[in-house]
Amino acid sequence: GEDVEQSLFLSVREGDSSVINCTYTDSSSTYLYWYKQEPGAGLQLLTYIFSNMDMKQDQRLTVLLNKKDKHLSLRIADTQTGDSAIYFCAERSGTGRRALTFGSGTRLQVQP
Amino acid sequence: ETGVTQSPTHLIKTRGQQVTLRCSSQSGHNTVSWYQQALGQGPQFIFQYYREEENGRGNFPPRFSGLQFPNYSSELNVNALELDDSALYLCASSPGLAGGGTDTQYFGPGTRLTVL
Repeated sequence: GEDVEQSLFLSVREGDSSVINCTYTDSSSTYLYWYKQEPGAGLQLLTYIFSNMDMKQDQRLTVLLNKKDKHLSLRIADTQTGDSAIYFCAERSGTGRRALTFGSGTRLQVQP
Repeated sequence: ETGVTQSPTHLIKTRGQQVTLRCSSQSGHNTVSWYQQALGQGPQFIFQYYREEENGRGNFPPRFSGLQFPNYSSELNVNALELDDSALYLCASSPGLAGGGTDTQYFGPGTRLTVL
């Protein structure tokens, strides 16, 4: 079955880069997503990457995909206190339904 | 462009009761997906509706049911509430097949359900 794993917690200092990692098991994954969730709020789409890409950059965000190892990472450059939140990795299978399978989330704490 | 909206924001029910949660999809989107997010967990897929038909279901019992209306808004109904149903219920809309390959899902703010 599909499974997505993330580390639980990351702490960085303001101005440093943050790297949040994710691994997935479904080899038929077509799209992989990063969502951000602030306390008491819904999910905000940050970025996504198609499975035939290795890298995608969007302003301060860089997504790296290693399809062979089924490893996805999100790098946030110049991390700010406003980036403190929970970050979810999600994958969408290429077969059947278009549901998203989420990891348990990584809590990013940015210290001033 | 209006984003995804959900109502109510919060709800408290007692065990055994029934609840209906509502979702309005983003303009131009014809697909709605519902997810349950327990405290400290990632969202779990409940089901998806595309053009008023169920288009896939996760590992949830039949007491979780849904509807999609001609304007693509949607309802999630839960019968015979259990304590474990306490969670944040998230609705997401997407362009569906008309949106090309990405079919990216955009989430609403959620409804927090507490079952006592």
